[in-house]
Amino acid sequence: TQLLEQSPQFLSIQEGENLTVYCNSSSVFSSLQWYRQEPGEGPVLLVTVVTGGEVKKLKRLTFQFGDARKDSSLHITAAQPGDTGLYLCAGRDAGGTSYGKLTFGQGTILTVHP
Amino acid sequence: DTEVTQTPKHLVMGMTNKKSLKCEQHMGHRAMYWYKQKAKKPPELMFVYSYEKLSINESVPSRFSPECPNSSLLNLHLHALQPEDSALYLCASSRRAGTSHEQFFGPGTRLTVL
Repeated sequence: TQLLEQSPQFLSIQEGENLTVYCNSSSVFSSLQWYRQEPGEGPVLLVTVVTGGEVKKLKRLTFQFGDARKDSSLHITAAQPGDTGLYLCAGRDAGGTSYGKLTFGQGTILTVHP
Repeated sequence: DTEVTQTPKHLVMGMTNKKSLKCEQHMGHRAMYWYKQKAKKPPELMFVYSYEKLSINESVPSRFSPECPNSSLLNLHLHALQPEDSALYLCASSRRAGTSHEQFFGPGTRLTVL
């Protein structure tokens, strides 16, 4: 069974601060997706990383996939109240037998105070 | 168009009722998924359909019955549910199952079982 450990579980910061969320595993993933979810809504896909060492930027968000494809991070620069939400990482098994299953991290609840 | 739609948005039902949740996508995706999500937790996979055939059932109780009438539609039939089944039910789709294709989620149906 693959596991993704996501940390921190809760993050409460002031507007303008920087933050980093981590997802770590002992397993190799063929790809890893990051989602953001607001209360009562479905997760919205932010990015997919596929190549080891890959870095992707989405405005103030920077996503990195570890060289060994076992870990990933999300860094937000100058956080804004609109960044508030549940952030989820989700990995797809590199073994090819998962048949579409994603392994989710436990999520990070981010609150950005004005 | 990367939209997955779900109806209804909210559903309240008694333990003896029969109801159905509906999901639709027009992205030409051939894999569709049902997830259950409790508050502030990651989604839990229930079912995976690939090319309109059920490929994964994550040991879900028989009071949940999925149906895939065609490649664009996915239903979840509910009967004799328990209060602990109250949750956000999410539908997702991807181009294919079992590969690195991204999953796109719908907005969810908030289900309350009285």
